[in-house]
Amino acid sequence: NAGVTQTPKFRILKIGQSMTLQCTQDMNHNYMYWYRQDPGMGLKLIYYSVGAGITDKGEVPNGYNVSRSTTEDFPLRLELAAPSQTSVYFCASSSSGEGNQPQHFGDGTRLSIL
Amino acid sequence: EDQVTQSPEALRLQEGESSSLNCSYTVSGLRGLFWYRQDPGKGPEFLFTLYSAGEEKEKERLKATLTKKESFLHITAPKPEDSATYLCAVPGSYNTDKLIFGTGTRLQVFP
Repeated sequence: NAGVTQTPKFRILKIGQSMTLQCTQDMNHNYMYWYRQDPGMGLKLIYYSVGAGITDKGEVPNGYNVSRSTTEDFPLRLELAAPSQTSVYFCASSSSGEGNQPQHFGDGTRLSIL
Repeated sequence: EDQVTQSPEALRLQEGESSSLNCSYTVSGLRGLFWYRQDPGKGPEFLFTLYSAGEEKEKERLKATLTKKESFLHITAPKPEDSATYLCAVPGSYNTDKLIFGTGTRLQVFP
């Protein structure tokens, strides 16, 4: 059972470039999340989705876009990359949105913007 | 305002030296409190869910407890392989589909 899979694991971008971070889960979870983690700052929610076709903003959505066309996949799009987007990005999924089930995380994408 | 605070930020222990990590929270109507372990270069790995005050969960050398205001992660006779960052999280008071994470406690266990 793979759980939550993120690709790529590492990426270096130049300022102004765009890219898509991929996330897929095989647990049939309706809820999916994108976080960024900066040193000493904890996990910050970027976007989340409660099911296919439904997405909503988190704490730090500026500069990012998401889509959710299937239950399994939740890609994160960076347009016009900026140095401030250098971070580690984690995708997570959960079976419930009622706060009584854990989120399960992928191993992250380490992104550097130069 | 919903908030999660973890202490200490960092903890260095000798192998076998037991200690506790603290997670204080301020949310209304707690639905669950989650503990995670995060190794360098990896995503958070789920450890425990606690649902109500007085509840305890154990896994190997770890025991998590919960009160109405805080949770403790007790580490008994730790080993170097217990070195990691430990995170706790709670669902928001009004948006239970989103978790609020603490900034974690970085634990180092030396042989």
